[in-house]
Amino acid sequence: DTGVSQNPRHKITKRGQNVTFRCDPISEHNRLYWYRQTLGQGPEFLTYFQNEAQLEKSRLLSDRFSAERPKGSFSTLEIQRTEQGDSAMYLCASRIQGMGELFFGEGSRLTVL
Amino acid sequence: DQQVKQNSPSLSVQEGRISILNCDYTNSMFDYFLWYKKYPAEGPTFLISISSIKDKNEDGRFTVFLNKSAKHLSLHIVPSQPGDSAVYFCAASIRGGADGLTFGKGTHLIIQP
Repeated sequence: DTGVSQNPRHKITKRGQNVTFRCDPISEHNRLYWYRQTLGQGPEFLTYFQNEAQLEKSRLLSDRFSAERPKGSFSTLEIQRTEQGDSAMYLCASRIQGMGELFFGEGSRLTVL
Repeated sequence: DQQVKQNSPSLSVQEGRISILNCDYTNSMFDYFLWYKKYPAEGPTFLISISSIKDKNEDGRFTVFLNKSAKHLSLHIVPSQPGDSAVYFCAASIRGGADGLTFGKGTHLIIQP
């Protein structure tokens, strides 16, 4: 399977714990995006990388959130001291720079108890 | 402030008939528009796109129409099939897609047998 891969698919955690999600983009895609989707809403932009550089961050990305793409390949999204409001589907997408459509992974669903 | 609006949360259409999903946008800087389809527990899948230099783009059963003066686009599916039942998201971007996508809240399309 050469699509965007995300894991874990589902994470249940207690409030206050840290969680980390991983995204493996399509190999030749140099741009990688993180989105968050809550019930009844469309995907909301969080941040994106071009190769290893993080080029833009949404105001939705509080200081408890950090994303990395250390070698310009896979990316991680860490949420520290989780809150119940962090419960959502976290979507990763990738594309080649200059091309319009994003290719999404299947998402990582976070449930904070 | 919702820059991309899908005002119909759901739409029910009989199999074989035409499905028309609507989307309005407020940001006149948007110049590239996309439709995504999403099944439960899966990531969004790209369907069709249109650049602002065009007013129509067709791909098989799917046609997207763009009315720039009204800041309105629509997705036509004809004929509608049971497998088309899903949530459809309208998305827009600036600079031909160089930036990230801004999504609407989605419309749940239900195809009735």
